[in-house]
Amino acid sequence: DAGVTQSPTHLIKTRGQQVTLRCSPISGHKSVSWYQQVLGQGPQFIFQYYEKEERGRGNFPDRFSARQFPNYSSELNVNALLLGDSALYLCASSLVGQSLNTEAFFGQGTRLTVV
Amino acid sequence: ILNVEQSPQSLHVQEGDSTNFTCSFPSSNFYALHWYRWETAKSPEALFVMTLNGDEKKKGRISATLNTKEGYSYLYIKGSQPEDSATYLCASTRYSSASKIIFGSGTRLSIRP
Repeated sequence: DAGVTQSPTHLIKTRGQQVTLRCSPISGHKSVSWYQQVLGQGPQFIFQYYEKEERGRGNFPDRFSARQFPNYSSELNVNALLLGDSALYLCASSLVGQSLNTEAFFGQGTRLTVV
Repeated sequence: ILNVEQSPQSLHVQEGDSTNFTCSFPSSNFYALHWYRWETAKSPEALFVMTLNGDEKKKGRISATLNTKEGYSYLYIKGSQPEDSATYLCASTRYSSASKIIFGSGTRLSIRP
């Protein structure tokens, strides 16, 4: 069985550009969460989607947006990129989402570098 | 405590020794506490999800305890092996924002052969 897959694995963008990151959850999982991880810190929660609806949002500016598709895959969009957006972006899927007391499975992440 | 804090930040342990580290989290409106192991160049892997005060969970040589009243959890590794080298992350969720999970910065564990 395929685990959580993210694409692309690495990405270099210029300040001011826009980026779209993609995540495919484990088959049968209906919840997808996005995290930003910068070196030396733990992952920071960005969004959670469950059954195609946003169920939670972290403290990120409106430049960050996401959506979940009918097949439960998800995209994270970041507009007007800043140097500080350079980070590893992780996606996690779980069977159920609203109550985060269930095990989450992470992808390997997308390394975004903004220059 | 408003954030999730882990200590120590890093730890070097001799192979065969046992070790433990701490996760402190907000005790008010506690919902769940997660432990993850994150090896270099791999995805974070779930170890435990704990919800009940006094809960103890075990997976092989790794075990965890939970005190929700005082807001801490311990992770224990018995007889450390080189493959235990990783960053161990804990994360908590609260009833007031059950969809938002807050991670600590992790404890980086290195096992010396």
